[in-house]
Amino acid sequence: QSALTQPASVSGSPGQSISISCTGATNDDGRFTFVSWYQQYPGKAPKLMIFELNKRPSGVSNRFSGSKSGNTASLTISGLRAEDEADYFCCSSAGDSALFGGGTKVTVL
Amino acid sequence: QVQLQESGPGLVKPSETLSLTCTVSGDSVSSGSYYWTWIRQPPGKGLEWIGNIHYTGGTKYNPSLKSRLTISVDTSKNQFSLNLSSVTAADTAVYYCGVCRAQWYFDLWGRGTPVTVAS
Repeated sequence: QSALTQPASVSGSPGQSISISCTGATNDDGRFTFVSWYQQYPGKAPKLMIFELNKRPSGVSNRFSGSKSGNTASLTISGLRAEDEADYFCCSSAGDSALFGGGTKVTVL
Repeated sequence: QVQLQESGPGLVKPSETLSLTCTVSGDSVSSGSYYWTWIRQPPGKGLEWIGNIHYTGGTKYNPSLKSRLTISVDTSKNQFSLNLSSVTAADTAVYYCGVCRAQWYFDLWGRGTPVTVAS
């Protein structure tokens, strides 16, 4: 596993659904690793939104969901709201280390 | 509820050692439930995992930083610390301490502390 690739930006209108991809989140043998997703507002610490690919921590809206297809994990935000405008990072375990994607800026039009 | 607070110098000279401490409140650093972690974020860039430590002293380090990195835990002070030697401008970042679960997710974060490497 060498890198996690995310789109630099994704945008959508209020009420729409958007998905953010995270490519490369598998081991060299193709096994999926632990994947988590984080939301970050400017000047703030990241917040855990999804862990173990598709589990939501207590308090996180069910508008956020995680999934995978092949070697790509995805975060979907449904019913997009203005407050969802933020940076989003995926993270994958890689043996005895963790790797973050480069981040995706979500813009609510 | 566990809370974490980073502390340390905001300015470090090139080639010197960056030292930060994370003070844990609301639980014991000796709790076996957590791995204590450091993560950093250069200005305008993404997140980079630095390393983890368990209260027993077991560590896991980012391979790209391993040769310069030491993470330690002080159970008497309920703190854990980061030492990064031979720093350069590339080490300028906001440094976060936090909690890493066994399933490699980070569910608790400090507020972060900015560190600039400059002469």
